[in-house]
Order: sequence, then C-alpha cells, then structure tokens
Amino acid sequence: ETGVTQSPTHLIKTRGQQVTLRCSSQSGHNTVSWYQQALGQGPQFIFQYYREEENGRGNFPPRFSGLQFPNYSSELNVNALELDDSALYLCASSLDYSHGETQYFGPGTRLLVL
Amino acid sequence: GQQLNQSPQSMFIQEGEDVSMNCTSSSIFNTWLWYKQDPGEGPVLLIALYKAGELTSNGRLTAQFGITRKDSFLNISASIPSDVGIYFCAGLTGNQFYFGTGTSLTVIP
Repeated sequence: ETGVTQSPTHLIKTRGQQVTLRCSSQSGHNTVSWYQQALGQGPQFIFQYYREEENGRGNFPPRFSGLQFPNYSSELNVNALELDDSALYLCASSLDYSHGETQYFGPGTRLLVL
Repeated sequence: GQQLNQSPQSMFIQEGEDVSMNCTSSSIFNTWLWYKQDPGEGPVLLIALYKAGELTSNGRLTAQFGITRKDSFLNISASIPSDVGIYFCAGLTGNQFYFGTGTSLTVIP
C-alpha cells in the first residue's frame, strides 16, 4: 500500500454533468500528478501540482482543472462530461517535482459517463 | 503527444519461463521506468533507469536503458504466478511522464 488514497472508488455520471475527484497524498509529499487511463491503455498525464501551483499540463482541454490544498491533498474537476471521459483516474504523489520518478499511485477512481 | 510502443501486447507463458518485453519511442527520454499494474490498483514502480546503457536489477527483474535513449527492455526470470499483471514502460522528460500501452502477462501454473 502506497499511502495515497482516492475517493470515490467508483462514480457514474451523465453527459454534461460535472465531477470532482479527490486525492490524499502520501505523508510529506508536496507534488501531485493526475492521469487518465482509458480501458486497455496506459495512463495519460493530465497535469501536475507542486505546492498548490500547476506545474505542467498534458494535452487535455480546459474543462479538466485541478486544485491542490495547503495540506497537499488535491482535486480533479471535470466539467461538461463527455462519454469519452469514462476512464480510471489516477493520482500520484511524489516528494517533489524533481523526484517525479519516485511517484506513488493511488488505486484510482473509475468514472463511467452515460 | 509522444508515443511509446510496447511489445508484445500480451504474453501467455508457463511458470518458470523467462519473459522479455520492450518499449520503443520516437523521442529521447532522460529517464525510463517500468511499472506493474494489478487489477483495481494503480501502477507500482519496479525499476527506474537514469543513464543510457544502464542495466539495473530488482530481484528477478532486469531492465536496460537503451543506448539511443529511445528504448528500454524488461526481463523477468523464472516467472511465478504472482507476476501476472500489466507491465508499463514510461519515459520521463522534464516533469511529464509518457506511458506505453502495456504488456499483459499471464503465467500458467
């Protein structure tokens, strides 16, 4: 077990709705990255937060947004959900952004958009 | 985005056999990593490689960072049933990871 927790574990939404996913980092980690993993694919980098600031973003539209809080927990928000947003959403925490290779993944939130 | 191609896509092997899988990219990476993902869980880091040509072992696992910096391979010796899962390579450049499409491994007792 990595110490990274995510909630909820599963979620069903309908197209057009908004969703908020939550991640609690491993103790002492100030960097959080979010990934989208479609069925049968590898994780795709969404964005990274370092000390409450966005520190890099992948090829995802602005309706994917995030927050990191002073305790380094994090949220991923997705607006105007589309069917293709159905995926496993993973967060990963690391000691800091310069040690990103030692990131620890949570178990993920599985989102189904109908 | 950058594409990492893994092969084979899936493998079915007998317990005790050795396994070899690789990952290639059109881009250069500064760090290569190998992860294993079990159903319902996030990926777990197996091996990290930091220099071209580097060969690193972790128990029965051995991985190498290709000299061109565009490829890497992972070997598993004497496979056991708990090796079952999906193996991902990932390249790190800056603070962004690019993951491969995965190799699904099934070990037949």
